[in-house]
Amino acid sequence: AQSVTQLDSQVPVFEEAPVELRCNYSSSVSVYLFWYVQYPNQGLQLLLKYLSGSTLVKGINGFEAEFNKSQTSFHLRKPSVHISDTAEYFCAVSVGGAAGNKLTFGGGTRVLVKP
Amino acid sequence: SQTIHQWPATLVQPVGSPLSLECTVEGTSNPNLYWYRQAAGRGLQLLFYSVGIGQISSEVPQNLSASRPQDRQFILSSKKLLLSDSGFYLCAWRGGQGFTGTEAFFGQGTRLTVV
Repeated sequence: AQSVTQLDSQVPVFEEAPVELRCNYSSSVSVYLFWYVQYPNQGLQLLLKYLSGSTLVKGINGFEAEFNKSQTSFHLRKPSVHISDTAEYFCAVSVGGAAGNKLTFGGGTRVLVKP
Repeated sequence: SQTIHQWPATLVQPVGSPLSLECTVEGTSNPNLYWYRQAAGRGLQLLFYSVGIGQISSEVPQNLSASRPQDRQFILSSKKLLLSDSGFYLCAWRGGQGFTGTEAFFGQGTRLTVV
């Protein structure tokens, strides 16, 4: 079974500084990888996804992530954050062909952008 | 385009009372449907998923049940709520006819407080 570990539960960062959110997954087969963002009391919104091909994936709001198969990682980055990036971020993995096509989520990383 | 509706947005219920949360999807057919729970300060836990009408798979033993009476309707229920059932409940859909994407789409969530 697949699992996802988000190494940081909280990340404080100053406005206009870069941020990196770490995600590691475990799976013995090929996976699809996702990053979602959740603003307070709302559902999850897709930031980006990796299916295959180029290991650098660009998403919405200036975010990007890099897939590293040897390190089983999918870290999310943004070169310059804005106050509006304050939110919780979730990494998720899905195994192709798995029953129910389930997404397994990490524990989340809460990003607090300070002025 | 596809949309997902989830209601109510907030709910305060006494211990021992019943629960019914509803989720409907528009714009696709035969989607996979999911109920997740997000407890305070924790990640997303998959509770149930369904690959078709009347087909429900439970991921964790608990005080809740799910039903899918129609193709695009997913209901989360409980006969008697416990304090530990408090949390943020999210419905999601993925796949379905006419949709080739791989990501899941989430409703806006229901904040349940059991008192």
